[in-house]
Amino acid sequence: DAGVTQSPTHLIKTRGQHVTLRCSPISGHKSVSWYQQVLGQGPQFIFQYYEKEERGRGNFPDRFSARQFPNYSSELNVNALLLGDSALYLCASSLGLASLIEETQYFGPGTRLLVL
Amino acid sequence: AQKITQTQPGMFVQEKEAVTLDCTYDTSDPSYGLFWYKQPSSGEMIFLIYQGSYDQQNATEGRYSLNFQKARKSANLVISASQLGDSAMYFCAMREGRGDDKIIFGKGTRLHILP
Repeated sequence: DAGVTQSPTHLIKTRGQHVTLRCSPISGHKSVSWYQQVLGQGPQFIFQYYEKEERGRGNFPDRFSARQFPNYSSELNVNALLLGDSALYLCASSLGLASLIEETQYFGPGTRLLVL
Repeated sequence: AQKITQTQPGMFVQEKEAVTLDCTYDTSDPSYGLFWYKQPSSGEMIFLIYQGSYDQQNATEGRYSLNFQKARKSANLVISASQLGDSAMYFCAMREGRGDDKIIFGKGTRLHILP
């Protein structure tokens, strides 16, 4: 079975531009979460979507937005890019069951974004 | 205050030796889950092992085991018989039982296995 897929794998943008990152979850998974990982740090939670509804949001500015589609794939949008947005953006999928504690999130390979 | 603390930025271990990666956590929630992930240089986060706060026994998955000491808020990862392919970043992470799906990660430990 295919794992979590993300596109593109690499991206170079300039300050002020916007970017759209895409994620397809594992088949049967209804929850998608987005994380930002800057160099030398652990991933930081940005958003979680379940059944097309936002379930959780991390401490990120409004320049960051996301949505989930009927097929459970997801997009992360970042407007007015800053140099500090350069990072690895990771998407994770999970079943999205009510008993959340033990539910494992499975990560994709990430999109490496460089803002010049 | 940091929720997840990994105090070892880097470790060097001889192949075939056992290695312990430290992790302490901070939460007031009685219900929580602890995870360990491995991140090779390719960037993908690979799930290794899970421990629930109410689990009575330490979790094990093949060569991985989790040394869970609840009173000390410690969740160390033990890798037995290390292999060259174990060289990677290792992240300890926690999910609290507040209803959202957020996983909080530590800063990671870079493990180098020496031949």
